Amino acid sequence: GNSVTQMEGPVTLSEEAFLTINCTYTATGYPSLFWYVQYPGEGLQLLLKATKADDKGSNKGFEATYRKETTSFHLEKGSVQVSDSAVYFCALSDLGAGSYQLTFGKGTKLSVIP
Amino acid sequence: NAGVTQTPKFQVLKTGQSMTLQCAQDMNHEYMSWYRQDPGMGLRLIHYSVGAGITDQGEVPNGYNVSRSTTEDFPLRLLSAAPSQTSVYFCASSPGLSADTQYFGPGTRLTVL
Repeated sequence: GNSVTQMEGPVTLSEEAFLTINCTYTATGYPSLFWYVQYPGEGLQLLLKATKADDKGSNKGFEATYRKETTSFHLEKGSVQVSDSAVYFCALSDLGAGSYQLTFGKGTKLSVIP
Repeated sequence: NAGVTQTPKFQVLKTGQSMTLQCAQDMNHEYMSWYRQDPGMGLRLIHYSVGAGITDQGEVPNGYNVSRSTTEDFPLRLLSAAPSQTSVYFCASSPGLSADTQYFGPGTRLTVL
């Protein structure tokens, strides 16, 4: 079956530090990959996505590249801000296997301190 | 355009009680789904629907029922609440017949005593 593994949190960084949150996946078909973000007290919002190998998704200074050879989709940001404090979820959608489901990782909580 | 709305925001039940969590979307999306979020577990899919009159089970369907009589509404019913169903519940919708780019509601925090 499909699964997503992301690095355990919480992660605490100082403002302007570099961020990496690792994400690896297993899938039976040809998945699309996503990063969702959940701010305190809110639902999830799509942050970025990539639909095929070597695609790079980007949004709000965050980037992630779909690496099929390493089955990875690591999230990066060059300079984090306090407003980036949230929980980040890596997810996949494997339509090639006929699945209509999103499979989520367990989430990584990021805290950015001034 | 309200997006995905959920009611109630908070609910406390006693073991054995039943209730319905409401979800509605005004984006004319075909695909709708229910997730539960538990600490350290991420989000797990309960049930989903690819259109009016069509529903299917997700990863953790036991203890929950759904129906989809209209495109807009996708209620989740707890038949006999148990403490293990204490969780935060999210409804989501998607524009196509896929799980791509889901739009999430604000969530319902349910406590079962």
